[in-house]
Amino acid sequence: DAGITQSPRHKVTETGTPVTLRCHQTENHRYMYWYRQDPGHGLRLIHYSYGVKDTDKGEVSDGYSVSRSKTEDFLLTLESATSSQTSVYFCAISGHTGESNQPQHFGDGTRLSIL
Amino acid sequence: QQQVKQSPQSLIVQKGGISIINCAYENTAFDYFPWYQQFPGKGPALLIAIRPDVSEKKEGRFTISFNKSAKQFSLHIMDSQPGDSATYFCAASIKAAGNKLTFGGGTRVLVKP
Repeated sequence: DAGITQSPRHKVTETGTPVTLRCHQTENHRYMYWYRQDPGHGLRLIHYSYGVKDTDKGEVSDGYSVSRSKTEDFLLTLESATSSQTSVYFCAISGHTGESNQPQHFGDGTRLSIL
Repeated sequence: QQQVKQSPQSLIVQKGGISIINCAYENTAFDYFPWYQQFPGKGPALLIAIRPDVSEKKEGRFTISFNKSAKQFSLHIMDSQPGDSATYFCAASIKAAGNKLTFGGGTRVLVKP
């Protein structure tokens, strides 16, 4: 395993409630990513981080925010969950050596259902 | 707009046969093309990857073929085994831009014994 833990693994919540997903890594990697996986769309990037307190938006960032206060943790927050955010969420990490980024390694996902 | 298009969506192959999955991309700035394998309930796992200065890369039974002029790349799984039954994703990224992956839609492969 690449030393990535996602929590919770499963969550059911109601529309309008805030939700926070956590990604924890033990690899001391610089880059961390949040993706969502939906049928027919593959995985789509929500937000990513290139260092502590350094984050940027991905392809589908609307309705999501992130925070990275320390190297090992990357939090994804849905401020007011909507049914369209029902999905499987994956965290990924990637190291950096010189000018070459290392491949991304993924956690096992969080299945989020919003009723 | 889907920048990486993957086909077919699903594939059934007999044990010992060849599985072929194709991807096409639009952004010529992409410079890294990985393939991921995903089993149910698990995250994607890197299978094999290629850079655009190479036309083919082989690792065991898995081969990537890359056609830069056509902006296409494909995964060949030789001597397919039931344990290869999984969903496969192609992806592309720009290494200097944070290595953010753009994924294809995925191909579900079923290898029949």
